[in-house]
Amino acid sequence: EAGVTQFPSHSVIEKGQTVTLRCDPISGHDNLYWYRRVMGKEIKFLLHFVKESKQDESGMPNNRFLAERTGGTYSTLKVQPAELEDSGVYFCASSRTREDGGYTFGSGTRLTVV
Amino acid sequence: GNSVTQMEGPVTLSEEAFLTINCTYTATGYPSLFWYVQYPGEGLQLLLKATKADDKGSNKGFEATYRKETTSFHLEKGSVQVSDSAVYFCALRIYNFNKFYFGSGTKLNVKP
Repeated sequence: EAGVTQFPSHSVIEKGQTVTLRCDPISGHDNLYWYRRVMGKEIKFLLHFVKESKQDESGMPNNRFLAERTGGTYSTLKVQPAELEDSGVYFCASSRTREDGGYTFGSGTRLTVV
Repeated sequence: GNSVTQMEGPVTLSEEAFLTINCTYTATGYPSLFWYVQYPGEGLQLLLKATKADDKGSNKGFEATYRKETTSFHLEKGSVQVSDSAVYFCALRIYNFNKFYFGSGTKLNVKP
């Protein structure tokens, strides 16, 4: 089966601009997660979708971040306006169920805000 | 709260050397413990896991034992290869919660 696909793989934008990251989960995976790793620190949870519904968005840093999953398929994460501290690697993952270790991660989007 | 602390890198070893990457955790519930690996240009891959105390996870020559008394899950390999060069992340997950708590990652460089 195809893996979790994220694009773009890299994005460089200026402070104040808008960027949209996309994640295509594995087909049939109802659960979709966003994480990010900032400045080589720990990878932190952002939010969790079950189909098109936000199950847990406790990790979203502020209201400049908007995640959507229309139709319960792919998801987008929009940052508007981007700030310097938003630079990092954004990972998406999907799973069929809540079982342990059932996550499949994408290769991430490296976002650089200059 | 829930958190994972792992040794800072980079760790540089010669091929066939012994590897230990330390990982300790704090958890509000009973966690499952994981090691993920990220090879250059790729996504995070599950390396091994353990779901209860004293369990040993193993894969590709790597091992880690769930030590509840010391709240640790150290990663070991007896003889590393150049192909093991990657970033290794320790993580925990509380039963019935869907999110992982990761450490900051340890970059391993193995020289021929």
